[in-house]
Amino acid sequence: GESVGLHLPTLSVQEGDNSIINCAYSNSASDYFIWYKQESGKGPQFIIDIRSNMDKRQGQRVTVLLNKTVKHLSLQIAATQPGDSAVYFCSGGYNKLIFGAGTRLAVHP
Amino acid sequence: GAGVSQTPSNKVTEKGKYVELRCDPISGHTALYWYRQSLGQGPEFLIYFQGTGAADDSGLPNDRFFAVRPEGSVSTLKIQRTERGDSAVYLCASSHSGGTDIQYFGAGTRLSVL
Repeated sequence: GESVGLHLPTLSVQEGDNSIINCAYSNSASDYFIWYKQESGKGPQFIIDIRSNMDKRQGQRVTVLLNKTVKHLSLQIAATQPGDSAVYFCSGGYNKLIFGAGTRLAVHP
Repeated sequence: GAGVSQTPSNKVTEKGKYVELRCDPISGHTALYWYRQSLGQGPEFLIYFQGTGAADDSGLPNDRFFAVRPEGSVSTLKIQRTERGDSAVYLCASSHSGGTDIQYFGAGTRLSVL
């Protein structure tokens, strides 16, 4: 079946450091992946997406890496700021998105 | 313009009661989605509309759950004979045309069944 999961439930970083959040997917998962950020009391907010014909995609302070060989993707956040504190979800699929449980990122001053 | 709007933001009901949750998508978006998020979990897909029709309702847990989108804009998620296990945040999202178009989420309706 389809599944998308995360390696760690929480990640704690110092302000200004880089953050890396990891995600694994199963054989039958989509070839389209999306990272969402969810702050407390809010809905998920789109961060960046990547298709399986790409290995890397960059946005503003964020980079997503896709390793199709080991079915793994990661979200890198450069110069992490307190405003980055949230739960991050990887997801995959067309229309019917399948989400992992999420990684809580805590940024300390 | 405005984002996805969901009302009410909170709903408290008693076991066995009927509830309706409303979603106003972004204007012009033809695709609309409902998800359910339990505490500490990621959103779980319920149903997807393309226009007025339910294109995929495979995520609805049982026949107590039903959703409509009669005019292809506002959608209502209806839950009959609510159970305590239905307590969760119900999220609505919309996208321009579906497929890999970005899904924009509302803030959700927190449903508590006592």
